[in-house]
Amino acid sequence: DGGITQSPKYLFRKEGQNVTLSCEQNLNHDAMYWYRQDPGQGLRLIYYSQIVNDFQKGDIAEGYSVSREKKESFPLTVTSAQKNPTAFYLCASRSGVGQPQHFGDGTRLSIL
Amino acid sequence: KQEVTQIPAALSVPEGENLVLNCSFTDSAIYNLQWFRQDPGKGLTSLLLIQSSQREQTSGRLNASLDKSSGRSTLYIAASQPGDSATYLCAVRTFSSGSARQLTFGSGTQLTVLP
Repeated sequence: DGGITQSPKYLFRKEGQNVTLSCEQNLNHDAMYWYRQDPGQGLRLIYYSQIVNDFQKGDIAEGYSVSREKKESFPLTVTSAQKNPTAFYLCASRSGVGQPQHFGDGTRLSIL
Repeated sequence: KQEVTQIPAALSVPEGENLVLNCSFTDSAIYNLQWFRQDPGKGLTSLLLIQSSQREQTSGRLNASLDKSSGRSTLYIAASQPGDSATYLCAVRTFSSGSARQLTFGSGTQLTVLP
C-alpha cells in the first residue's frame, strides 16, 4: 500500500546532539513537508520541498535543516541550535496543486 | 497573515447525536480548505477537501461546508459513534504572498462521543 513512513516513532536527544528524523513516501508525490505539533496547538510548518534538490523555510525553520536528494525522501535534522526540540514531528506530502495533503504517523522527540 | 480558529476546543456528546464543528479563518482569499482527523499519538487523516469554488463536500456521515465570504467552514457529523472520538483539525491554503503553498492549521476540536 502507498503511504508515508516516518521513523523512528520515538527519539531521544542529548544536549548538544543533532538528530535526524526520517520520512519516506511511495506515493510519487512531488511536494513534501515537515511540521511541528506542540500540545494544544495547531501544526506549524518547518520546511517544505516542491521538487527534488529544492526546499524552502517555513514559519519556524531556525534550528532545523533538511535535504531532498531523492523524490521519495525528505529527512529532517534537529540541530543543537534548536533549544526547545521536544515536540511531535509530522511529515506530509501531496501530489500537486489542489490535491489533499497526506500525513505520516509522526515521530515524538524528547530531550534526555 | 492567515489565522484559523476552531471553537470549541473540546466537545463531549452522547452516541447518536448529530454535531457540528466550527472553523473560522481571517483571510478569505483561500485556495482550498481541508478537514483532518487525528487520533492520540497518530498522524493526521484527511477527511474532506473543499476547493474555493465549492460550497460543500460529503463523505459518508461527514459533510463539510464552506462560506468564503464569511470566513467559515463547518464539519457536520451525523449519527455520531464512539469511534468518531478524536481531534478534528481544519486547515486552509491561502493565496497570500509567500504562503500559497502552505496550509495554516487551527488548533483543533477534541471530540468525545460517549457510549
